[in-house]
Amino acid sequence: DAKTTQPTSMDCAEGRAANLPCNHSTISGNEYVYWYRQIHSQGPQYIIHGLKNNETNEMASLIITEDRKSSTLILPHATLRDTAVYYCIVRPLTGANNLFFGTGTRLTVIP
Amino acid sequence: NAGVTQTPKFRILKIGQSMTLQCAQDMNHNYMYWYRQDPGMGLKLIYYSVGAGITDKGEVPNGYNVSRSTTEDFPLRLELAAPSQTSVYFCASSYEGEQFFGPGTRLTVL
Repeated sequence: DAKTTQPTSMDCAEGRAANLPCNHSTISGNEYVYWYRQIHSQGPQYIIHGLKNNETNEMASLIITEDRKSSTLILPHATLRDTAVYYCIVRPLTGANNLFFGTGTRLTVIP
Repeated sequence: NAGVTQTPKFRILKIGQSMTLQCAQDMNHNYMYWYRQDPGMGLKLIYYSVGAGITDKGEVPNGYNVSRSTTEDFPLRLELAAPSQTSVYFCASSYEGEQFFGPGTRLTVL
């Protein structure tokens, strides 16, 4: 079962903010929202995760709606190196067999 | 720390051959995973381990075997390679929530 829905692709101008949406309308109370990205041919890279509050780290910000049914990953100043496939995943904080990758959003940063 | 390392980077196998994909981590993580990624698709979990001596099947385990004799190592074994196993294989480890991935092994079965 697909637990998240993301647009297939997006473009963003270099230097502008990239806002990547994710719908997770069936999220459970104990499930977190995780974001990973995969730059061409490399292993996925963890970006950020959150439960219900907005989160920010050195890479990105995560905005989760009050009802937790959707979220947005924000890259504040996109660079060409941010071109990648971005995966939104919902899962409990603990446990092993619960990181399900969909097809993600292919973000292209345009010079 | 080297993080998660995988060998080899590339391999071509003939149908019916066997091989072992190596994975090692130096972060003392209990959890380790093997994924495969087919072209244009997301990652699918093959096997995982929650600690030395403990392994379990993921979403697509058929045709593969694993072992976990130490915390550091989690090799993936293909016994009778088939063209359907042509894919990129990623190993990962985790402590809590965040998974750290290796650089991948690109396997082609002809």
